[in-house]
Amino acid sequence: NAGVMQNPRHLVRRRGQEARLRCSPMKGHSHVYWYRQLPEEGLKFMVYLQKENIIDESGMPKERFSAEFPKEGPSILRIQQVVRGDSAAYFCASSPLPPPDTQYFGPGTRLTVL
Amino acid sequence: GENVEQHPSTLSVQEGDSAVIKCTYSDSASNYFPWYKQELGKRPQLIIDIRSNVGEKKDQRIAVTLNKTAKHFSLHITETQPEDSAVYFCAARANAGGTSYGKLTFGQGTILTVHP
Repeated sequence: NAGVMQNPRHLVRRRGQEARLRCSPMKGHSHVYWYRQLPEEGLKFMVYLQKENIIDESGMPKERFSAEFPKEGPSILRIQQVVRGDSAAYFCASSPLPPPDTQYFGPGTRLTVL
Repeated sequence: GENVEQHPSTLSVQEGDSAVIKCTYSDSASNYFPWYKQELGKRPQLIIDIRSNVGEKKDQRIAVTLNKTAKHFSLHITETQPEDSAVYFCAARANAGGTSYGKLTFGQGTILTVHP
């Protein structure tokens, strides 16, 4: 049973470019969560999605950030016009439907903005 | 919204000693409290969790206690080993229902170092 998959594992972008991060949840999981971890800090919630629906995006910046979880394929976190402050590790987690609430994390994507 | 405070930020112990990490939370409606271990450059891994209908839970050398009245919960690691060295995060889940369902609020993390 494969765990949560994320790709790419490392992503380097120049300021102003777009970053696209992908997350494939564990098999049978239809709840996906995205978290951001700045260097030497804890994880901060960004967005919670179910298939084709955004349930809670209260932690996501209003500008430049968007997320989707289509009916087919992985969840995508998209960052437009990246800035240096976007450099961080981005983790997604998934949980089964219906909950228990255990969230299983992927290996993360480390975004570096030059 | 929920706020989780975690202490200490760093903890250094000798192999074989016990380690205790404490967290407090603000939302009395929170009902799920997981602990994650994160090694350098790796993903957070769930090591133990507790729900609000339970006061204590143990799994081998790891135990978690929950005091709902005081709104705090603690991680206890006994007989520590060098491989326990990592960053440990506590978290609290907002109450079910509405748009807060599923969201985990994390503490700031504790860097645990176990010296051989």
